[in-house]
Amino acid sequence: NAGVTQTPKFQVLKTGQSMTLQCAQDMNHEYMSWYRQDPGMGLRLIHYSVGAGITDQGEVPNGYNVSRSTTEDFPLRLLSAAPSQTSVYFCASSYGRGQFFGPGTRLTVL
Amino acid sequence: GESVGLHLPTLSVQEGDNSIINCAYSNSASDYFIWYKQESGKGPQFIIDIRSNMDKRQGQRVTVLLNKTVKHLSLQIAATQPGDSAVYFCAENGAGNNRKLIWGLGTSLAVNP
Repeated sequence: NAGVTQTPKFQVLKTGQSMTLQCAQDMNHEYMSWYRQDPGMGLRLIHYSVGAGITDQGEVPNGYNVSRSTTEDFPLRLLSAAPSQTSVYFCASSYGRGQFFGPGTRLTVL
Repeated sequence: GESVGLHLPTLSVQEGDNSIINCAYSNSASDYFIWYKQESGKGPQFIIDIRSNMDKRQGQRVTVLLNKTVKHLSLQIAATQPGDSAVYFCAENGAGNNRKLIWGLGTSLAVNP
């Protein structure tokens, strides 16, 4: 199994641009989530999904959209990037006990 | 509000010593706790978990202790090795929702050879 994969690994955007961070898992986990990690602030939950077709907001959802059309994929969309969205983004999946994390995407918004 | 915090932001130990990383939580409704390890440039990695009906759980070289009376969680690493150098996070499931973990800020563990 590849586990949780994320693309791209690095991305630089200009303010106002949009982009999609990709996340895929091959473990058939129902639960998937997106976090952002900022220095001194730990991990904060952006959005999560408990199964295909079901998504919900986490702690910091503003500026981000998600969809879950398949069990495997859970993309995160930035509609209009802002410098405050400069961060490292992690996708995770879970079968209920603990979560498996991807390697992260380091995003810089200029 | 409810939060999960850490007593020590950094911990430095000698190789071979035992390490203890502490975590305080304030949500008495939490009934599931997890420790994660994050190495530089990587995503967090599950280490060990414990449910509130237990006060101790052991894994390979790691032990998690839970003291519900004082809302305290600790991770003990035996015979610390250079490969244990990382940031360690505790997380709790808040009001019983395993899907929405509340994360601590992390403790950086440095192992000196």
